[in-house]
Amino acid sequence: DAGVTQSPTHLIKTRGQQVTLRCSPKSGHDTVSWYQQALGQGPQFIFQYYEEEERQRGNFPDRFSGHQFPNYSSELNVNALLLGDSALYLCASSYFRRDSPLHFGNGTRLTVT
Amino acid sequence: DQQVKQNSPSLSVQEGRISILNCDYTNSMFDYFLWYKKYPAEGPTFLISISSIKDKNEDGRFTVFLNKSAKHLSLHIVPSQPGDSAVYFCAASESGGSNYKLTFGKGTLLTVNP
Repeated sequence: DAGVTQSPTHLIKTRGQQVTLRCSPKSGHDTVSWYQQALGQGPQFIFQYYEEEERQRGNFPDRFSGHQFPNYSSELNVNALLLGDSALYLCASSYFRRDSPLHFGNGTRLTVT
Repeated sequence: DQQVKQNSPSLSVQEGRISILNCDYTNSMFDYFLWYKKYPAEGPTFLISISSIKDKNEDGRFTVFLNKSAKHLSLHIVPSQPGDSAVYFCAASESGGSNYKLTFGKGTLLTVNP
């Protein structure tokens, strides 16, 4: 039973470019959340998708957008990359209920130069 | 403004002894708390959770204690094992909210020495 898988594992982009990160949830899970973890910080909530809709959003600008597909997989898109976007991006999946713990993938390490 | 604080960046204990990791929060709307463990190059792994209607929850070697009046929770690991060496994150979610929007602390690096 595969857990949460993310691709790519590492990515280097130039300031101003656009990037797409991908996530496949754990089998059976229907909800996907994205988190950004900067160096030395805890993960910070970006947004959450359920039934192909963005349900909740954290304090991130509109440059950060996402999508969820009918098979529950998800993409995170970041436009007009800034140096400060360099971080580990974590995808987490769960069931759509409060007591369902988040299962995290291993993340995508994004470096913006 | 950090709503979840883990004031100890690191903790070192001997194998077999108790590890106590602490976490403080400021948001009175938090009513569900979780601990996650993270190894290098891996995503965080869920350890244990506690609802604000309880003051203690146990799962094997792991126990979480919640003191609502002090806005403080702690994770006890007994006995500690070298494999427990990892970064531990405290996280919280608000009442009326969802499990998806977790607010994390900065983490505490636990090192268990053989």
